[in-house]
Amino acid sequence: KQEVTQIPAALSVPEGENLVLNCSFTDSAIYNLQWFRQDPGKGLTSLLLIQSSQREQTSGRLNASLDKSSGRSTLYIAASQPGDSATYLCAVKGYGQNFVFGPGTRLSVLP
Amino acid sequence: ETGVTQSPTHLIKTRGQQVTLRCSSQSGHNTVSWYQQALGQGPQFIFQYYREEENGRGNFPPRFSGLQFPNYSSELNVNALELDDSALYLCASSLSTGNNSPLHFGNGTRLTVT
Repeated sequence: KQEVTQIPAALSVPEGENLVLNCSFTDSAIYNLQWFRQDPGKGLTSLLLIQSSQREQTSGRLNASLDKSSGRSTLYIAASQPGDSATYLCAVKGYGQNFVFGPGTRLSVLP
Repeated sequence: ETGVTQSPTHLIKTRGQQVTLRCSSQSGHNTVSWYQQALGQGPQFIFQYYREEENGRGNFPPRFSGLQFPNYSSELNVNALELDDSALYLCASSLSTGNNSPLHFGNGTRLTVT
């Protein structure tokens, strides 16, 4: 059974810092991994999807990497802004499965 | 392009009652998945519908049921509500059941069971 964990559970940084969020999964037999952002009480906004054959994906200030063999993904946020404050979740799609989500990392970027 | 819309946004029900939540998928998307998100946790997969048929189910009891209509909109029905059913219910649509189809979520329905 696939299990997804995210470290840290919460993170508070000053504006302008570069930061890294971590996602780990137990079963490396995956099709893809997707990163989402969730604002309080809202739905999830898709940020990046990395297919299993890819090593990384970039969108603006965001860069996500995938190391399938070690069961890890990182989301790198460059030059963080207060508007980046949200919960960030990763989700993994395994063989014959639907997406399994991690519990999220709650990010606060202080002005 | 119209995104995923869910209704209602908030709902309060009493234990033992029944509830129906609704979801309109993003334009062009034929697959709808439902998730339950308890406070402080990641979403848990309930089930998926593709072309009006259930196409996968998570670890939820039969009192959680669903429908998908010819226009690909969907309903989630929960019978005999329990206090633990209080959660944010999220609907996600995707272009197909293909393995690299990203999920697009609505804003969810906040259900409170008292």
